[in-house]
Amino acid sequence: AQKVTQAQTEISVVEKEDVTLDCVYETRDTTYYLFWYKQPPSGELVFLIRRNSFDEQNEISGRYSWNFQKSTSSFNFTITASQVVDSAVYFCALSEAGYGGATNKLIFGTGTLLAVQP
Amino acid sequence: NAGVTQTPKFQVLKTGQSMTLQCAQDMNHEYMSWYRQDPGMGLRLIHYSVGAGITDQGEVPNGYNVSRSTTEDFPLRLLSAAPSQTSVYFCASTAGTTYNEQFFGPGTRLTVL
Repeated sequence: AQKVTQAQTEISVVEKEDVTLDCVYETRDTTYYLFWYKQPPSGELVFLIRRNSFDEQNEISGRYSWNFQKSTSSFNFTITASQVVDSAVYFCALSEAGYGGATNKLIFGTGTLLAVQP
Repeated sequence: NAGVTQTPKFQVLKTGQSMTLQCAQDMNHEYMSWYRQDPGMGLRLIHYSVGAGITDQGEVPNGYNVSRSTTEDFPLRLLSAAPSQTSVYFCASTAGTTYNEQFFGPGTRLTVL
């Protein structure tokens, strides 16, 4: 069975600190997809990144970076120089592979609440 | 493009009442899904569809029905509401084989008394 674990329930940092959100997944599939979503206090879900299991390159987008390690089944998310606007709940999610790519059946972790204090 | 729209935004029901949560998308996406979000549990898949006329159960389907008569619409029906169905419901759509992300609606906050 597929499973996503986000062991950090809440993290509090001071602005400009770096912070890493952990995500560990379980799957028997050799092809799968991993995602990160952000849910700000307003409640909407904002897509951040998708990564397939064959692409282990780290990704950087501005202050955000992702570290995918198949050997440890982890897909961690780092925010560099955090800002108050980064305060949100962050979800990691896993999808099995379907025809042509990921499916629309996401397995979500329980989320990590990040609070960035000014 | 309006993206994914959901109505209503808020709803209060009494135990035993039925209702339909509406979801529509204008992006011509093949895939649509319904999730519920409960505190401390993340989002869990209720039902999903890979095209008009095709639906299947997700992780927590009991107490809910869906249908997909058009590409645009994917309503979620609560047959007989229970307090355990108090939750925030999200509808999502994706482009199918060119899938990169799921687009989520703004959510419906449902309270069952």
